[in-house]
Amino acid sequence: SQTIHQWPATLVQPVGSPLSLECTVEGTSNPNLYWYRQAAGRGLQLLFYSVGIGQISSEVPQNLSASRPQDRQFILSSKKLLLSDSGFYLCAWSGMEGFDTQYFGPGTRLTVL
Amino acid sequence: AQSVSQHNHHVILSEAASLELGCNYSYGGTVNLFWYVQYPGQHLQLLLKYFSGDPLVKGIKGFEAEFIKSKFSFNLRKPSVQWSDTAEYFCAVSGSGAGSYQLTFGKGTKLSVIP
Repeated sequence: SQTIHQWPATLVQPVGSPLSLECTVEGTSNPNLYWYRQAAGRGLQLLFYSVGIGQISSEVPQNLSASRPQDRQFILSSKKLLLSDSGFYLCAWSGMEGFDTQYFGPGTRLTVL
Repeated sequence: AQSVSQHNHHVILSEAASLELGCNYSYGGTVNLFWYVQYPGQHLQLLLKYFSGDPLVKGIKGFEAEFIKSKFSFNLRKPSVQWSDTAEYFCAVSGSGAGSYQLTFGKGTKLSVIP
């Protein structure tokens, strides 16, 4: 069966510091991968998605970036964190056949101080 | 742009009460519709989904939802809630065509079930 991992689970970072969040998927090949942010009272917002290695689409302009160095690895990064980057970051995967159901990881709680 | 509106921010029910959570969407095309649930301390997980066919869909744990195209709605129902249904519920919509990668979520409804 497929599983999705995210780490770290929680992270406290100072403003201006860099960020790297990692997501890996097991048990499937060629998944679509997604990064969402869940801010308090605002639901989930799609940040990036990827349909293949090195292919990244951004939905929301911001100081975050994403990369997909391997088929089942998706990384969310920032060079300099802002206070507004605080939130709950969720990684998800789906199949490649048209639009498929998305399955979510456990998430990373990021607090920027 | 697509959007999803969930009418209730927080719903409090006693056990055995019936549940209906409202969800309305805005999208200029054929849609796929989802309800996700997040139990305390757990992953966001799929409760049920509608892609096509019978507009009344059944999901896990006795939940069901009805797609009413004319009302742009996809309300979630359960005839008798249990304390274990305490969770946050999210409605989501996507386009159904190829390349429809964006899943748009509502802000969520927190359900508290009192024993």
